[in-house]
Amino acid sequence: KQEVTQIPAALSVPEGENLVLNCSFTDSAIYNLQWFRQDPGKGLTSLLLIQSSQREQTSGRLNASLDKSSGRSTLYIAASQPGDSATYLCAVRGGYQKVTFGTGTKLQVIP
Amino acid sequence: DGGITQSPKYLFRKEGQNVTLSCEQNLNHDAMYWYRQDPGQGLRLIYYSQIVNDFQKGDIAEGYSVSREKKESFPLTVTSAQKNPTAFYLCASRRGSGEQPQHFGDGTRLSIL
Repeated sequence: KQEVTQIPAALSVPEGENLVLNCSFTDSAIYNLQWFRQDPGKGLTSLLLIQSSQREQTSGRLNASLDKSSGRSTLYIAASQPGDSATYLCAVRGGYQKVTFGTGTKLQVIP
Repeated sequence: DGGITQSPKYLFRKEGQNVTLSCEQNLNHDAMYWYRQDPGQGLRLIYYSQIVNDFQKGDIAEGYSVSREKKESFPLTVTSAQKNPTAFYLCASRRGSGEQPQHFGDGTRLSIL
């Protein structure tokens, strides 16, 4: 059974700092890994999707990497801003449309 | 703009009552999903549908039912058999071909009166 872990559960950083969020998964047989952002009381916003054959994806100040063999992904946020404050979730897709989500890292960027 | 619309935003259920959560998408996506989110837990899959008139149970389907009569609509009914329905419900969709990202609606928060 796939398990997805995100550590830490919460993170507080000063504005302008570069930061890394971690996601680990137990079964490396995945099709893709997706990073999402969730604001309080809202749905999930897709940030980046990395195919199993890819090593990383970039969008603006965000860079996500994937190391399938070790079961790890990182989301790098450059020059953090207060507007980046949210909960960040990762999700891995296996066979039969099975998507397993982590419990998220709650990020607070302090002005 | 294309997107996923969930309604209502807040819903209250009385004991023994069935309630239906609406999910509509105009993204022309083939696959649609229902998830439940509880505090401190990851999203858990209730049901999913890859094509019209077909759907499969997810990890926690007991006490829920769905239909997929139209491509753009995937309503979820929370029946009285679901003993702990209080949660945040999220609908998602995905284009069927290739490795495409999931897109989510803004959710429905269901509470028990």
